[in-house]
Amino acid sequence: AQSVTQLGSHVSVSEGALVLLRCNYSSSVPPYLFWYVQYPNQGLQLLLKYTTGATLVKGINGFEAEFKKSETSFHLTKPSAHMSDAAEYFCAVSGYNAGNMLTFGGGTRLMVKP
Amino acid sequence: EPEVTQTPSHQVTQMGQEVILRCVPISNHLYFYWYRQILGQKVEFLVSFYNNEISEKSEIFDDQFSVERPDGSNFTLKIRSTKLEDSAMYFCASSEARGTGYGYTFGSGTRLTVV
Repeated sequence: AQSVTQLGSHVSVSEGALVLLRCNYSSSVPPYLFWYVQYPNQGLQLLLKYTTGATLVKGINGFEAEFKKSETSFHLTKPSAHMSDAAEYFCAVSGYNAGNMLTFGGGTRLMVKP
Repeated sequence: EPEVTQTPSHQVTQMGQEVILRCVPISNHLYFYWYRQILGQKVEFLVSFYNNEISEKSEIFDDQFSVERPDGSNFTLKIRSTKLEDSAMYFCASSEARGTGYGYTFGSGTRLTVV
């Protein structure tokens, strides 16, 4: 079974500041890990994913995440926040052999202050 | 960029009524999914569908729910005899292959309100 914990349901940063959204997971098998973003009134858009290989994954819009097996973490970062980054961010996990099911965290709403 | 289209965007229904939520997956995708998000809670898996049959379902997906691909383009979720606790955002998704490593494409969701 898999589970995901996102620390902080709301995160507020200033424009230009570092964005750090935390995600910890548990999985009984090697995980696949995902970050999705949801803008108001829109669907879930894939930001990036880790399946195998390089543990530092780069995604769209300047975001990246690093898979740290020893810490069971997959934190999302962006060096410099932009106003357009304000959205809800979801971390998700699946087992590599767990078929089609994604298990989501509770989400983190990112607010960007001018 | 190809999209998953969901209709309607909002649906209000009376308790006990049947609702059908509609989705048009990406045309070359073979795997289809429904997820839901109750307000303030996590996004939860409901069901996956391939080759005209359910491939996986969660405990939430009980006899009240059914899915169907009535033609070559639509994928529907039917909720019989809706309950207040069915109020949620329902997301459809599709993928071109089995396994989450391929990633899904999600639709914008249908917000269902049961009154």
